[in-house]
Amino acid sequence: KNEVEQSPQNLTAQEGEFITINCSYSVGISALHWLQQHPGGGIVSLFMLSSGKKKHGRLIATINIQEKHSSLHITASHPRDSAVYICAVIMDSSYKLIFGSGTRLLVRP
Amino acid sequence: GAVVSQHPSRVICKSGTSVKIECRSLDFQATTMFWYRQFPKQSLMLMATSNEGSKATYEQGVEKDKFLINHASLTLSTLTVTSAHPEDSSFYICSAYRPWAGQGLYNEQFFGPGTRLTVL
Repeated sequence: KNEVEQSPQNLTAQEGEFITINCSYSVGISALHWLQQHPGGGIVSLFMLSSGKKKHGRLIATINIQEKHSSLHITASHPRDSAVYICAVIMDSSYKLIFGSGTRLLVRP
Repeated sequence: GAVVSQHPSRVICKSGTSVKIECRSLDFQATTMFWYRQFPKQSLMLMATSNEGSKATYEQGVEKDKFLINHASLTLSTLTVTSAHPEDSSFYICSAYRPWAGQGLYNEQFFGPGTRLTVL
């Protein structure tokens, strides 16, 4: 079993829909990243959080440390949101990242 | 967020040649950088941890003589793929680690744009 599990693996949505991507992990962590990777390959860090909730524009990330679960929400989705979204955790004992397998999102106009 | 650059963004080379990829942190000093490799439709795989002024730490299964890492300054790490073969063709990404960013943030990594290596 992977230490970081993401769901769904693939997601297709219509423009305007509310989207949720989930991440569960099985190790103790100090923080969690949500990353976005566009088809060109470059990776952008959307959020880094260790508790509660963060919001940036149409993106919201939440984390529940007790349940070892995080979600990334996209409100009013747009075709330009189409990308791979990756959850990555920083273990308590290390600064290395452990990555989920990613969620491939396609938003259709 | 902080800016990390990589050069080149894309390289095509012949089998048997060596390729050097540079990773620079442009607006902070990074004592630690990471090198990742990504195959198509797969997630990132950590290859090695690059520490300024000391030897890199390689992950299990990564050949240190094939993937040479040099972290000569606080803003530059290089990855050299020696005697490249077609199976080395991949997307290589670096990240720079910033242990403290203020505002309660810590242990944050900033990613470079990646280098796509194709070995013919």
